[in-house]
Amino acid sequence: EAAVTQSPRSKVAVTGGKVTLSCHQTNNHDYMYWYRQDTGHGLRLIHYSYVADSTEKGDIPDGYKASRPSQENFSLILELASLSQTAVYFCASSDAGANTGQLYFGEGSKLTVL
Amino acid sequence: GQQVKQSSPSLTVQEGGISILNCDYENDMFDYFAWYKKYPDNSPTLLISVRSNVDKREDGRLTVFLNKSGKHFSLHITASQPEDTAVYLCAAAENQGGSAKLIFGEGTKLTVSS
Repeated sequence: EAAVTQSPRSKVAVTGGKVTLSCHQTNNHDYMYWYRQDTGHGLRLIHYSYVADSTEKGDIPDGYKASRPSQENFSLILELASLSQTAVYFCASSDAGANTGQLYFGEGSKLTVL
Repeated sequence: GQQVKQSSPSLTVQEGGISILNCDYENDMFDYFAWYKKYPDNSPTLLISVRSNVDKREDGRLTVFLNKSGKHFSLHITASQPEDTAVYLCAAAENQGGSAKLIFGEGTKLTVSS
């Protein structure tokens, strides 16, 4: 079964601090994604990647960086965390592009910025 | 603007009834349409998907109807059960080869009352 694990599962950060959310998949999938969930907005795509050492901007990339050092790992980096970045963040992977098959999601990382 | 929209934030259906969840989209290039289910504090999971070359797809109690001219697709759940209570997210993606951008709607919270 597909396995996507995120860490940390929950984090409290201070405004202006740096936050790194990590994602690891054991599916041997090429594609990985970072989404954020907010009430009333569903899931919005922040960054994605289809090959190691390369990342692409999604629909709401401002304030976020991404890193894909290997096929298995994909990180989301908030260099200067802000209150508006309080949300639940989901990582996902797929073996092909999003228009060809299922996305497998991790359990989510709840970030609270104070 | 919101490319994929679910206009009903919530829906309540009696046990045994038919749940109808609706989704509208703007982008003519979308050719992949999906419904994901999400329980509270859990990750989204794929329920059913269709491509633009079909108008309807059935899978057990689930049926997806696609109306391309109206830029609308819906999920029908027959014989609704309390365990169907969850948030349902519609999603769509373009045909861009390996397009990796799956765009989600805001979600509809379905409550099946017994």
